[in-house]
Order: sequence, then C-alpha cells, then structure tokens
Amino acid sequence: DAKTTQPNSMESNEEEPVHLPCNHSTISGTDYIHWYRQLPSQGPEYVIHGLTSNVNNRMASLAIAEDRKSSTLILHRATLRDAAVYYCILRDVIDAGNMLTFGGGTRLMVKP
Amino acid sequence: GAVVSQHPSRVICKSGTSVKIECRSLDFQATTMFWYRQFPKKSLMLMATSNEGSKATYEQGVEKDKFLINHASLTLSTLTVTSAHPEDSSFYICSALWGPGNTIYFGEGSWLTVV
Repeated sequence: DAKTTQPNSMESNEEEPVHLPCNHSTISGTDYIHWYRQLPSQGPEYVIHGLTSNVNNRMASLAIAEDRKSSTLILHRATLRDAAVYYCILRDVIDAGNMLTFGGGTRLMVKP
Repeated sequence: GAVVSQHPSRVICKSGTSVKIECRSLDFQATTMFWYRQFPKKSLMLMATSNEGSKATYEQGVEKDKFLINHASLTLSTLTVTSAHPEDSSFYICSALWGPGNTIYFGEGSWLTVV
C-alpha cells in the first residue's frame, strides 16, 4: 500500500481555519485519498475523499495537489468538537480497495 | 446517522472466559466487514476480514483460534475473544461498506477489559 505522512500533532484556535497536510509521494493512479477522523473513545468517522479534483462537503474541504503527491484537509472554522485524530489514507479501489490501512494520523488540538 | 453499530460498547470479563462483540449493518447488507483493534494512543490495526457465508481472512500474526469471527448473516458479524487474557484488553472496531461510493463506515467501537 502506498503510504502517507502526516504531522503528529497540530494546534488551532477555535473558529479559525485549520489546514491539515498529508504527503503521499508514492500514490498510484488508482488510489483515492480518504480522510477519517477519530474522536476520543469512538470509531473513525468518514470525513471526505477525492481522486484528483478538490472536493467540498458539509464537514470539510479537500485540496489535492496537481501532481497528487500531497493533499490538505481544510476545516473552515474549527470548533472544540473538531479535536480528534485525523487520518489521511490511500484507498486503491482496484486492488484490495475495501480495507483501510491506518497510519499515525494527526492529533488536532483546538484551543478555546 | 450511524450505519454500523456495535454491541456492547464496553465489556469487562474475567481472564480465561470468552466474550462476544457484535457488529451490525443498519438497514443495508454487508457481505464484507472488517475487524480492527486499537491499543491506547495507537493507530488502528486490521485484524481480519469477515466474509458472509465463508471463513474470515486473518491478518498475519492474528490467532484465528483465539479471535473467532462469524458472519452468519448479511447484517451481522461477531468477534469472539476466547480464553481472554489481560493483554487482549483493547478497543475493537468493525467497519463495513455502504452507499453508492462504497464508503467505509465504522462502528462506535467496543472497549474490552480483561481482569
């Protein structure tokens, strides 16, 4: 599986935007970029995913570099409830695309 | 709302006993479910792939006789930890595919404490 690299932790102030980076330099053409987050003592929650184009949904935006070797999850206005571990995961939907391999993720801390 | 549900959310069992954790897909059929284990402050580790009507596929290093997986129906997979030991204490999480995009959704997780 192609691997991802994320910072171990990040801090943000409440109601400010947060940009969570992810590097995936060995991404293949059939890898989708998925983001999940895990709140304390809960299962991971789907946030967003994309292939080449930037994506927006009610939770976040995903900005994908033109060469697809990196991406950024954008939370437009962080709230205290956004404090979680954010995982950037590549999912090859052609080969073994139904399982997810989790890396270390980024622990986001939100300060009031 | 939740599309995958686990039960129980927390369970305490005595060392040497067995405990069963259920994973249900709500209002949809899941031919494949996945079981993960997560130790405190660590990331999720895939344990096995649960296939409806057939044997589960276990990841390397996971004892299939200790972690019994049964996927007897299209909406239910169970994980039974047999002869539990304190080192089996962990957060167990299941997942399933749902929706037109085959997004993977996770259950709420089940905390197992073996005393």
